[in-house]
Amino acid sequence: KAGVTQTPRYLIKTRGQQVTLSCSPISGHRSVSWYQQTPGQGLQFLFEYFSETQRNKGNFPGRFSGRQFSNSRSEMNVSTLELGDSALYLCASSFRGTNYGYTFGSGTRLTVV
Amino acid sequence: QQQVKQSPQSLIVQKGGISIINCAYENTAFDYFPWYQQFPGKGPALLIAIRPDVSEKKEGRFTISFNKSAKQFSLHIMDSQPGDSATYFCAASMANDYKLSFGAGTTVTVRA
Repeated sequence: KAGVTQTPRYLIKTRGQQVTLSCSPISGHRSVSWYQQTPGQGLQFLFEYFSETQRNKGNFPGRFSGRQFSNSRSEMNVSTLELGDSALYLCASSFRGTNYGYTFGSGTRLTVV
Repeated sequence: QQQVKQSPQSLIVQKGGISIINCAYENTAFDYFPWYQQFPGKGPALLIAIRPDVSEKKEGRFTISFNKSAKQFSLHIMDSQPGDSATYFCAASMANDYKLSFGAGTTVTVRA
């Protein structure tokens, strides 16, 4: 079956712009999480959604937001981009949630210039 | 504040050798401990996971050892192969928290 699909794979944006990243989970998975991966900070949790409800949010500024649609697809948005937002953004899906194993997508590589 | 501490940062092992990666945690509410493998350009892939009621779990060449009293767990890669060269992350989570806390990662290089 198809894995977690993230689009786009690569993105270059200018400081101050906003960006929207998309994630299509594995069919039947209702939990979608987002993580930011950087060389300095490692893998950091952004937020998790289940059936369109945000169940947890990481320690990121309000410029980072997300949502989940009724078909479980999810988007995350970053407004007023800063150079430090350059990172690999990973989406992960799970049938029920964290303790049941997450499948990650290949990520979107965001570069802010 | 990193909730899961992972070591070493990197290691080199000869083909056929054993790779050992260690992780430690503080939060006793954690009840699920997965290990992920990541290749360059790819997202992390779930390798093996354990719950605290089990002291060891083996899947093929990969074994997790879990020491609940010491709040430590480790990944052993037996008969390491060049294809095992990747970055490995330990993680921990707790019920109803809906997030994984990752270790900093260990880059494993297997020399042929």
